[in-house]
Amino acid sequence: SQQGEEDPQALSIQEGENATMNCSYKTSINNLQWYRQNSGRGLVHLILIRSNEREKHSGRLRVTLDTSKKSSSLLITASRAADTASYFCATDALGGGGADGLTFGKGTHLIIQP
Amino acid sequence: NAGVMQNPRHLVRRRGQEARLRCSPMKGHSHVYWYRQLPEEGLKFMVYLQKENIIDESGMPKERFSAEFPKEGPSILRIQQVVRGDSAAYFCASSSNVGVMNTEAFFGQGTRLTVV
Repeated sequence: SQQGEEDPQALSIQEGENATMNCSYKTSINNLQWYRQNSGRGLVHLILIRSNEREKHSGRLRVTLDTSKKSSSLLITASRAADTASYFCATDALGGGGADGLTFGKGTHLIIQP
Repeated sequence: NAGVMQNPRHLVRRRGQEARLRCSPMKGHSHVYWYRQLPEEGLKFMVYLQKENIIDESGMPKERFSAEFPKEGPSILRIQQVVRGDSAAYFCASSSNVGVMNTEAFFGQGTRLTVV
């Protein structure tokens, strides 16, 4: 699998349900970031979790990080139609810093059915 | 099929000089996005361009920064009279369609700008 690879590639759920997306990576990291991209728009930064953190919350978002398994998950609770978007994880590799280390996955396409 | 190509990978400029960052989108892609990443922060959207048009520049600083995507050639992000605070990694992404849910955004490896 590639660095920063999201799973599943596509997810369709009913409004009000929770959505969980996973991300796996290969190398050691400084931090891992989640982004959202609405159709026709640029990326929006959602949350950054550092390698020494295990869980982080922001509103309806919950991110976990397991460095032993080199994986992260993004949970969106009580989903809304406006959450329909593509979600990307990106890893900032240890010792890299920006251009040397930031790697994006291909994204999970989340569709919220009304 | 080469991916999104950014050059240079690393650029060092003295304060007051100009920085020109280039981005060649994937073949067949006509949409380009530029992002900036400050140390220990996430990517911040700067500008979205299509061929010969700026679609959304809401993330661009009001002064010294400009972007173009000409009919021929790469997209250019230009920073005039650079200051230390411009030091960051600049990423470019390209996509083929807008408004299509299955569109992937492909990212370049970035340009690390250091202002000394």
